Amino acid sequence: GAVVSQHPSRVICKSGTSVKIECRSLDFQATTMFWYRQFPKQSLMLMATSNEGSKATYEQGVEKDKFLINHASLTLSTLTVTSAHPEDSSFYICSAPGTGSTDTQYFGPGTRLTVL
Amino acid sequence: QKEVEQDPGPLSVPEGAIVSLNCTYSNSAFQYFMWYRQYSRKGPELLMYTYSSGNKEDGRFTAQVDKSSKYISLFIRDSQPSDSATYLCAMRAGQAGTALIFGKGTTLSVSS
Repeated sequence: GAVVSQHPSRVICKSGTSVKIECRSLDFQATTMFWYRQFPKQSLMLMATSNEGSKATYEQGVEKDKFLINHASLTLSTLTVTSAHPEDSSFYICSAPGTGSTDTQYFGPGTRLTVL
Repeated sequence: QKEVEQDPGPLSVPEGAIVSLNCTYSNSAFQYFMWYRQYSRKGPELLMYTYSSGNKEDGRFTAQVDKSSKYISLFIRDSQPSDSATYLCAMRAGQAGTALIFGKGTTLSVSS
């Protein structure tokens, strides 16, 4: 099946710093990628849709200036959490639509962000 | 009312039991229904994918969709300790490239 990777898997940073998370589709191209956030014991909440070659689309309530998304190529999307604060600590997961009969999404392994 | 409702559990069963997991939804436009399994601190893994109403079976797993009731189910037969995980239902209205709407997830524990 399709493989999506994320880097780093875990990051701890100080309050006020910026953190970049990479999402890569390893064996297929993805013109669209999705970024989700998951708090403990909560569901995945869509943050934004990343589009190759154009601006990302953000969900209501998600600050686009705080969560910068760049879809640099057909296999790479990055999420930068700018001026991170403790309330940004969460599990960030990306996904990319697959191709073929299942017509669904493949998820990365997630990045756990802890802001001190 | 949230778009997708799922009882978070936890649900504890003995090995070999039949497990029933359910979600209800309110948006009648949803057509594509999925079940994902998520182990602790890992990304979700696709288990079952169903388009529109009906049943789909894959090994010990059976997915059911009842669009008239806006209700979907996942059945696990002969449950194993390795099935212990969080199970998330997900659904969407549009074609591939449309974001998924997830339930909260049900935490399942299968004891040996």
